[in-house]
Amino acid sequence: KAGVTQTPRYLIKTRGQQVTLSCSPISGHRSVSWYQQTPGQGLQFLFEYFSETQRNKGNFPGRFSGRQFSNSRSEMNVSTLELGDSALYLCASSSSNLAGEPGDFGPGTRLTVL
Amino acid sequence: QKEVEQNSGPLSVPEGAIASLNCTYSDRGSQSFFWYRQYSGKSPELIMFIYSNGDKEDGRFTAQLNKASQYVSLLIRDSQPSDSATYLCAVSPQFYFGTGTSLTVIP
Repeated sequence: KAGVTQTPRYLIKTRGQQVTLSCSPISGHRSVSWYQQTPGQGLQFLFEYFSETQRNKGNFPGRFSGRQFSNSRSEMNVSTLELGDSALYLCASSSSNLAGEPGDFGPGTRLTVL
Repeated sequence: QKEVEQNSGPLSVPEGAIASLNCTYSDRGSQSFFWYRQYSGKSPELIMFIYSNGDKEDGRFTAQLNKASQYVSLLIRDSQPSDSATYLCAVSPQFYFGTGTSLTVIP
């Protein structure tokens, strides 16, 4: 089966800009969760969507937002980028209906903010 | 106190030995526990999950859960050089991840 795909794979932005990242889950998976991974903080949970509804949210500022479409594809948006937003952004999809199960990860989007 | 704690390592074991990776969590509401393997430059890959107290075996991997002690571990038997990676512990429903333990298996 096809895995989780994320686009773009690499992105370079400057401070103050905004960015949109996309995630296509494994076919049939209705849960999509997003994470930020940095060397210092590790893997931190951003939010989870299930059937187009945000089901869980981590402790990130409101500049980070997301949404999920009826085909389960999800987008994440970061507005007013800061240098500290440079990170690997990962999404994961799960077939479980239970909250909190990450499932399978995509390859990630490497965001660099200059 | 972090929600999920792991020894960062590095943990080095000789090929063929048992590698033992440990994880403690602070939230007693945690219900499910996951072990992910992450090779350098790659995304995490699910190895095992466990819901109930006790042991769960899958091939060379055994996950152990003790909810009373808020402790979950992963044993890797007959360790191979290809097992060299960072191992992440995760708990649900909170989506908490530990910072990972780096494992090196020495040929």
